[in-house]
Amino acid sequence: DAGVTQSPTHLIKTRGQQVTLRCSPKSGHDTVSWYQQALGQGPQFIFQYYEEEERQRGNFPDRFSGHQFPNYSSELNVNALLLGDSALYLCASSSPTWDFYGYTFGSGTRLTVV
Amino acid sequence: DQQVKQNSPSLSVQEGRISILNCDYTNSMFDYFLWYKKYPAEGPTFLISISSIKDKNEDGRFTVFLNKSAKHLSLHIVPSQPGDSAVYFCAASRKAAGNKLTFGGGTRVLVKP
Repeated sequence: DAGVTQSPTHLIKTRGQQVTLRCSPKSGHDTVSWYQQALGQGPQFIFQYYEEEERQRGNFPDRFSGHQFPNYSSELNVNALLLGDSALYLCASSSPTWDFYGYTFGSGTRLTVV
Repeated sequence: DQQVKQNSPSLSVQEGRISILNCDYTNSMFDYFLWYKKYPAEGPTFLISISSIKDKNEDGRFTVFLNKSAKHLSLHIVPSQPGDSAVYFCAASRKAAGNKLTFGGGTRVLVKP
């Protein structure tokens, strides 16, 4: 049973460019959340998607947007990239009942903005 | 406003001894607390959790203690093994807030053989 898969694993972009990161949730999971983990810090919540709609959003600017598809997979888009957007982007999925296992995380996409 | 804090960025322990990781929180509305373990180049993996209505939860070598009055939780690993060397994150969630996770900054644990 595949867990959460994210692509690409690594990405280098130039300031001002746009980037799209992809996530396929674990089988049976319908909710996808995105987190940003800067170097030396804990992951920070960006937003959560459920039933193809953004259900919650953290303290991130509108440059960060997302989408969820009918098959529950999700994309994270970041426009007008800044150097400070360099981080590990983690996708996490959860089941409809959100049991005490919480979320299943993917291995992340390492984004470097130069 | 950092609602979840792990004040010890690193911890070194001898194999076979106890590792104690600490975590403090400020939001009394959190109703679930979780510990995740992270190896380099991998995503966080779930370790153990505790509901706010309990004060202890045990799973094999791992025990989590919750002190709600002090807004403090700790993770005990006994006995520590070299494979436990990783970064450990505590996280808190609130069902009313959609169960999004608020993470601490992490504690890097090194278990020496």
